[in-house]
Amino acid sequence: AQTVTQSQPEMSVQEAETVTLSCTYDTSESDYYLFWYKQPPSRQMILVIRQEAYKQQNATENRFSVNFQKAAKSFSLKISDSQLGDAAMYFCAYRSRQGGSEKLVFGKGTKLTVNP
Amino acid sequence: DTEVTQTPKHLVMGMTNKKSLKCEQHMGHRAMYWYKQKAKKPPELMFVYSYEKLSINESVPSRFSPECPNSSLLNLHLHALQPEDSALYLCASSRKKGTSGASSYNEQFFGPGTRLTVL
Repeated sequence: AQTVTQSQPEMSVQEAETVTLSCTYDTSESDYYLFWYKQPPSRQMILVIRQEAYKQQNATENRFSVNFQKAAKSFSLKISDSQLGDAAMYFCAYRSRQGGSEKLVFGKGTKLTVNP
Repeated sequence: DTEVTQTPKHLVMGMTNKKSLKCEQHMGHRAMYWYKQKAKKPPELMFVYSYEKLSINESVPSRFSPECPNSSLLNLHLHALQPEDSALYLCASSRKKGTSGASSYNEQFFGPGTRLTVL
């Protein structure tokens, strides 16, 4: 079974600075998808970025980028120019296939605080 | 329309009540999901529907009964719940891709959730 580990329960960053959130995963599959989701206090889960394992290029979405190390099974999220609105719980997720369906396996999350 | 809606936003029910949660999407997504999320924990998958058929049941107690009447609508019927069932219930949907490959579905889009309190 796939597992996702986020080793940082909490992180903090100064506004306008850069922060990196860590995620490692365990799988025997060679092709898969990884995601970072953000959940602010409003509790709505919002997709931040996704990475397809067969793509060597790291995904980027504006201020958000990932460092995907397939051999090391590492998938970290870098947030540049942090903003107050980035404060949220961040979940790393692995998409697992089960039969003909797919399910997300989430890490335990990292709570990010942005200090003004 | 690019969102998943859930009603109600909040629900308080007694252990003998019967209630239902509703989830709706009009994005043409053919997979829909129910998750349960306790405070400060990640979401836990409960059910997956693919093309209106139940494809995954993560050993959820029978007091939770899912229903997918059509491709846009997903219900979760609640009966004889326990206080420990109090949680945020999230619905999600995803689109089936036209081609095969590493994945048959794109990323999941989540609704805002229903906060359930069982007294």
